[in-house]
Amino acid sequence: GAVVSQHPSWVICKSGTSVKIECRSLDFQATTMFWYRQFPKQSLMLMATSNEGSKATYEQGVEKDKFLINHASLTLSTLTVTSAHPEDSSFYICSAAGLGLAGAPPYEQYFGPGTRLTVT
Amino acid sequence: AQSVTQPDIHITVSEGASLELRCNYSYGATPYLFWYVQSPGQGLQLLLKYFSGDTLVQGIKGFEAEFKRSQSSFNLRKPSVHWSDAAEYFCAVGARNDKIIFGKGTRLHILP
Repeated sequence: GAVVSQHPSWVICKSGTSVKIECRSLDFQATTMFWYRQFPKQSLMLMATSNEGSKATYEQGVEKDKFLINHASLTLSTLTVTSAHPEDSSFYICSAAGLGLAGAPPYEQYFGPGTRLTVT
Repeated sequence: AQSVTQPDIHITVSEGASLELRCNYSYGATPYLFWYVQSPGQGLQLLLKYFSGDTLVQGIKGFEAEFKRSQSSFNLRKPSVHWSDAAEYFCAVGARNDKIIFGKGTRLHILP
């Protein structure tokens, strides 16, 4: 149980285009989803927290107009990188926390496998 | 402010040797502590977690960690490492309704 998927696993896009990354909780309802960014050989940096049906809460320094997050259902959140540039190239990881997980506190996060974004 | 410190950026051990990865945290409330492992290009896998109770926590793949409140530490240990344990290890701290804060990670190298 507690499986989180991401799609795509990797994507290459041209500078100036937008790309959407999906994060799905497969066997539980994710009341909260988190989006992280990880640069090579570095730790995960939280970008934003999204609660189903609400606007995302962005961390300081993260451009909300550039990184659009939608959490329209209890099993799906999307991150759209708008007008991507090479400096947006990174590994994006989502995690999900929620109800319906036997024995799991609501704040325990389950991580997706990540999406490698390369902007050329 | 809450923080997690992993003082060792790289650790190299021989296969079959014991391992200890250090983690210190700073958090105002009772912490919830995690250890995650990440293989190259992969997401994070939870090794173990501490919420309350017994301060010695057993995890997957033969790992264990001990919570020491007096030292604000949550070190990860394994009695005998395998080549497949080579990866990046992240210690993290979180609390109810709060975010998870990750350490900078320790890269584990295994010598044959």
